[in-house]
Amino acid sequence: IAGITQAPTSQILAAGRRMTLRCTQDMRHNAMYWYRQDLGLGLRLIHYSNTAGTTGKGEVPDGYSVSRANTDDFPLTLASAVPSQTSVYFCASRADGDTDTQYFGPGTRLTVL
Amino acid sequence: GQNIDQPTEMTATEGAIVQINCTYQTSGFNGLFWYQQHAGEAPTFLSYNVLDGLEEKGRFSSFLSRSKGYSYLLLKELQMKDSASYLCAVTSSNYQLIWGAGTKLIIKP
Repeated sequence: IAGITQAPTSQILAAGRRMTLRCTQDMRHNAMYWYRQDLGLGLRLIHYSNTAGTTGKGEVPDGYSVSRANTDDFPLTLASAVPSQTSVYFCASRADGDTDTQYFGPGTRLTVL
Repeated sequence: GQNIDQPTEMTATEGAIVQINCTYQTSGFNGLFWYQQHAGEAPTFLSYNVLDGLEEKGRFSSFLSRSKGYSYLLLKELQMKDSASYLCAVTSSNYQLIWGAGTKLIIKP
């Protein structure tokens, strides 16, 4: 692995189903983020984690949960998917240092029917 | 409230220069980022400004004025591969990024 990986690449999901989006990084970054990106809107933060064992709510956390059991993994779970959660989901991690640059995974395209 | 504004779409000609503006109003400021995002791909880091002035990196330059809440990204010698969306983002006081909606840049031959 080099950088950040996400799985699945895309998924079509029936409303009401549970779904976990996976995110793994091998850069040993402490901070990780989940965003959703919708047409015409900027990236919106769902949840974040500043370090393993801690998580926080972002701008649009409702309907989503996260966990951070270790440094590398940061899964995002939709407990009961709804059509408004149709979006592209990006996981990112932040480099520790002066610039706070965030690096993004390739994204997961999720469609909820 | 917190707000970042940038034009929705711009068109430019191959070989020319284009300037993409970004204005922001945020509760804190720890730096401004520009990212490039090609269609169907993830955003990738272009530049970071924390002090006033111009940062140059090859064909791309980024300018910041903190007193005016203003930044621009300057792209020179445009190439077709520069067709993409350009995202402006500001780091707030808790190290989280606040994102603009992005500017879609269309390059014509």
